[in-house]
Amino acid sequence: QKEVEQDPGPLSVPEGAIVSLNCTYSNSAFQYFMWYRQYSRKGPELLMYTYSSGNKEDGRFTAQVDKSSKYISLFIRDSQPSDSATYLCALNNAGNMLTFGGGTRLMVKP
Amino acid sequence: SQTIHQWPATLVQPVGSPLSLECTVEGTSNPNLYWYRQAAGRGLQLLFYSVGIGQISSEVPQNLSASRPQDRQFILSSKKLLLSDSGFYLCAWSPTQGQPQHFGDGTRLSIL
Repeated sequence: QKEVEQDPGPLSVPEGAIVSLNCTYSNSAFQYFMWYRQYSRKGPELLMYTYSSGNKEDGRFTAQVDKSSKYISLFIRDSQPSDSATYLCALNNAGNMLTFGGGTRLMVKP
Repeated sequence: SQTIHQWPATLVQPVGSPLSLECTVEGTSNPNLYWYRQAAGRGLQLLFYSVGIGQISSEVPQNLSASRPQDRQFILSSKKLLLSDSGFYLCAWSPTQGQPQHFGDGTRLSIL
């Protein structure tokens, strides 16, 4: 079993939809939770960073962490074609290693 | 603000040739530096990280090596490339361990 599981997609939604992206993990030592967005042929870009259970909002993006269920989510409201990318969750146990999910490819259709 | 630069963006090399990829960070001092490889359809694999000049930790034994000759410079090298070294190589930095990592735009390496 992988330490972090993420549905690879692709996930196709119409413009304006609410998107839900999810990761599950098995190691309770993870303390920090991140979401990255990666456009084709580009490096991952940090979207959200949180270290506690609950919700964190930034514009159209909301990150949700449930440590008891070992489940993290990223919600995108009013999705736009420019949101079409691969989304990676990343988890850290306060050390130097990030453990990444495999990424979910999102396509937002105009 | 901090920026990270990687070059070249694309590289095509023959099997058995040497490799040198460079990464530099601006706007910060004593960052933690990282090299990742991202194979097609797969996640990011950490290859090396460094917490200071001359300090290199290897996560995956392989045909590659890393060096940090200056505080904000990180170099990925190989003496003889293999076909299996093809991939997308990403450099990243963080202020310290446990903090989010920030990535460069990568080098796409093709071995022929």
